[in-house]
Amino acid sequence: DAGVIQSPRHEVTEMGQEVTLRCKPISGHDYLFWYRQTMMRGLELLIYFNNNVPIDDSGMPEDRFSAKMPNASFSTLKIQPSEPRDSAVYFCASSLVSAGGEGYTFGSGTRLTVV
Amino acid sequence: QKEVEQNSGPLSVPEGAIASLNCTYSDRGSQSFFWYRQYSGKSPELIMFIYSNGDKEDGRFTAQLNKASQYVSLLIRDSQPSDSATYLCAGNTPLVFGKGTRLSVIA
Repeated sequence: DAGVIQSPRHEVTEMGQEVTLRCKPISGHDYLFWYRQTMMRGLELLIYFNNNVPIDDSGMPEDRFSAKMPNASFSTLKIQPSEPRDSAVYFCASSLVSAGGEGYTFGSGTRLTVV
Repeated sequence: QKEVEQNSGPLSVPEGAIASLNCTYSDRGSQSFFWYRQYSGKSPELIMFIYSNGDKEDGRFTAQLNKASQYVSLLIRDSQPSDSATYLCAGNTPLVFGKGTRLSVIA
């Protein structure tokens, strides 16, 4: 298995632009999670899906952020418009279950820089 | 607010020593706990998970869970320079992560 695949690896954009991050989970994993990591706040859960349905988006910082999962093999996280404070590493993770099991498998992350 | 707390470090130990990493959590309902290792610029990778009170050993790693004290720890025996990384503790459903402890193993 190729693992969780994220693209792009790096994204530099100007303030106000739209940014779209992409994720392909491990085949057969029913749960998909989007996390954001910064030095100050660590790893924060933004939103997670079960069987393509959003379950909890309470971690999404504001309306500028949106996420979709149109099918079992693809998810996007969109920021529109982007702001410098959105600069962070965004990780996608997938798992068989939301609790217990063998934890989550993380993608390589997207390092976002908004200038 | 469900929280997982870790000492940010850095924790420095000499090569061959035992490194002890600690974590506390706020939600008494948490059932399972995970330790992830994250090298600089890389993604978190799972080292161990533990569900039951007591110790769980895997090679040089031992995870310890004390649900009464809401305390989780990770011991790394015979520490190697390659163990130098940030170690993240996680619990709850879905996983809530601590901010991590940076470990430096000095050769």
